[in-house]
Amino acid sequence: LAKTTQPISMDSYEGQEVNITCSHNNIATNDYITWYQQFPSQGPRFIIQGYKTKVTNEVASLFIPADRKSSTLSLPRVSLSDTAVYYCLVGVGTGRRALTFGSGTRLQVQP
Amino acid sequence: KAGVTQTPRYLIKTRGQQVTLSCSPISGHRSVSWYQQTPGQGLQFLFEYFSETQRNKGNFPGRFSGRQFSNSRSEMNVSTLELGDSALYLCASSLGPPGLAGGSYTGELFFGEGSRLTVL
Repeated sequence: LAKTTQPISMDSYEGQEVNITCSHNNIATNDYITWYQQFPSQGPRFIIQGYKTKVTNEVASLFIPADRKSSTLSLPRVSLSDTAVYYCLVGVGTGRRALTFGSGTRLQVQP
Repeated sequence: KAGVTQTPRYLIKTRGQQVTLSCSPISGHRSVSWYQQTPGQGLQFLFEYFSETQRNKGNFPGRFSGRQFSNSRSEMNVSTLELGDSALYLCASSLGPPGLAGGSYTGELFFGEGSRLTVL
């Protein structure tokens, strides 16, 4: 199983860009990288997914270097409602379903 | 489209008892996976089912078991409950393992609200 490592917590202010990095040294060739957001007492919610280089959607960007041993979730101009725990998931790959979540990064956004 | 439904939402058991949790996936989703979430251990993968077959299993003792029915609904069971089993149990559904969902890849997991188990 691909083990992942994330910072335990991060603090930011409204309007700033936040970058959360996840390390996954043992990522397999077929593994994708997915990020989820979780609010208290709710199940995680999908944010973004990628395999390599850069992926962008309406809420975030995901940067993956060539060696794919890490990934960075970028949240542009965060607001108070972005205060949540962010999880990195590695392993949702073709023919393989080893699902390993990171420990999660607790993001606190201040006014 | 209805989301993932987990029942019960809250339950209290005592040590030694057993518990069964239910998960109804999104209509059309054939893959169901289960997770245990505790403050100290984060999100831990329990097992995953696809088409009534367990495809993957996490590192949990045999007291944790599950199954999936022909309608894709899934149940998990924990026998001989221990205090450390107190947790939020989350279920997630997805269309299916990549490559099997009509040839297109989708790995997005849709989570339910969870079942919060307290063991006294």
